[in-house]
Amino acid sequence: AQSVTQLDSHVSVSEGTPVLLRCNYSSSYSPSLFWYVQHPNKGLQLLLKYTSAATLVKGINGFEAEFKKSETSFHLTKPSAHMSDAAEYFCVVRGGTGNQFYFGTGTSLTVIP
Amino acid sequence: EADIYQTPRYLVIGTGKKITLECSQTMGHDKMYWYQQDPGMELHLIHYSYGVNSTEKGDLSSESTVSRIRTEHFPLTLESARPSHTSQYLCASSHRRGGGTGELFFGEGSRLTVL
Repeated sequence: AQSVTQLDSHVSVSEGTPVLLRCNYSSSYSPSLFWYVQHPNKGLQLLLKYTSAATLVKGINGFEAEFKKSETSFHLTKPSAHMSDAAEYFCVVRGGTGNQFYFGTGTSLTVIP
Repeated sequence: EADIYQTPRYLVIGTGKKITLECSQTMGHDKMYWYQQDPGMELHLIHYSYGVNSTEKGDLSSESTVSRIRTEHFPLTLESARPSHTSQYLCASSHRRGGGTGELFFGEGSRLTVL
């Protein structure tokens, strides 16, 4: 069975400091993993994806994530937070019977000036 | 920029009215989805489709219905809107596993308010 756990519902960082948003997954198969960002009153935008190539994945806006199979984790990081990074972030796994998408509950990122 | 469009973006309507939320994509994707999302909350899958004439119910029970008569079009209908239907509805599409890059492409969402 597939599932996704986002370990923090809210994260608050100061502008210019690193960002870490944590995601653990459970998958019976080799999964595809994604991070999406959602700004208020908008749809979800893909930040980055892992599809069994390089384990360190670089995305848009300076974000990156590392796939760690031994830890079943796919944490999202950014070296220096910007005010425009304030948004909701969703970790998503695709896999299993029917190759469906499974969403985490989201992490709300606040960036303090 | 993803080519998936939702209309209307915002809709305020009275109880008992029939509404249709439109969703169209120009990417030729076979799989399409509707998600329901309350403010600040997680997404819940309410309907999906593998292709033309295919529709399935998702994980969250919904009084809405969908149709898939054309590949590019996946409208969602509420026959009689109620205040409990107030929410944001997000449409998405994807390739099947064997083709494309595997991610979901989302529309901008339709925010429905039922008075």
